[in-house]
Amino acid sequence: GENVEQHPSTLSVQEGDSAVIKCTYSDSASNYFPWYKQELGKRPQLIIDIRSNVGEKKDQRIAVTLNKTAKHFSLHITETQPEDSAVYFCAASIWSGYSTLTFGKGTMLLVSP
Amino acid sequence: DSGVTQTPKHLITATGQRVTLRCSPRSGDLSVYWYQQSLDQGLQFLIQYYNGEERAKGNILERFSAQQFPDLHSELNLSSLELGDSALYFCASSVESANTEAFFGQGTRLTVV
Repeated sequence: GENVEQHPSTLSVQEGDSAVIKCTYSDSASNYFPWYKQELGKRPQLIIDIRSNVGEKKDQRIAVTLNKTAKHFSLHITETQPEDSAVYFCAASIWSGYSTLTFGKGTMLLVSP
Repeated sequence: DSGVTQTPKHLITATGQRVTLRCSPRSGDLSVYWYQQSLDQGLQFLIQYYNGEERAKGNILERFSAQQFPDLHSELNLSSLELGDSALYFCASSVESANTEAFFGQGTRLTVV
C-alpha cells in the first residue's frame, strides 16, 4: 500500500518567517494530495489540496508544490502568524473506483511572536 | 462544524471491556473512514466503508470491527480493550467522487484504565 513520509516532525519559526513541510509518497499511482491542519484538541481540517495534473497551487499565504517524478510534495506557509501554530498532516490518495487517504505522521508547527 | 457527528465525545472504560463508537456522516456522503490518533502515531487509517460495504482496510486489529448501516451511519466496535487502545478515534466522510475532501468529525477520546 501507499506510504507517506513527512518531515520535519517539529518546526519552530519566528512570526513573519516562512515555513516549509515536505512529504514523500511511495505509490506513483497516487493522484490527490491534501494537506490538513489540526489545532490542539480539534479535528483535522483541509487547508489546501493539489491534484497530480498540477505542479503548484496557491491560496493566500499557503502554497503546495508537487514533483511527480521525485514523488514528493511540499507545503509552504509565508508570513507565518501565531495562529498558524498547529499540527499539519500531508496525505496521498489513490483513486481506483474509490479513494483511500494515507496520512503522514504530522508536523507540529510552532510560531513564536 | 463539518457536518460529521461522532458520539460519544469522551469514553472511559476498563481493560477487557467492549465499546461502540458511532459516526453519522455528512448528508449525502456515502463513504466513511475511521482513523486512530495516538500521541506519536499520527492518523492511522483503520477501515473504510462505502454505501454499506467495506472498501479498504488499514492497520485494524482483529479485536476491532466496524460496519456501515443502511442509513449510512457507521459504528466502530472495540473489544477486549487494552491500555494501548487509548487514543482519539476520528471518523471522516466524503462524497466519494474522484479524490474529494474528507470531512472529519470531532473525534471520540477513548481512555482505557
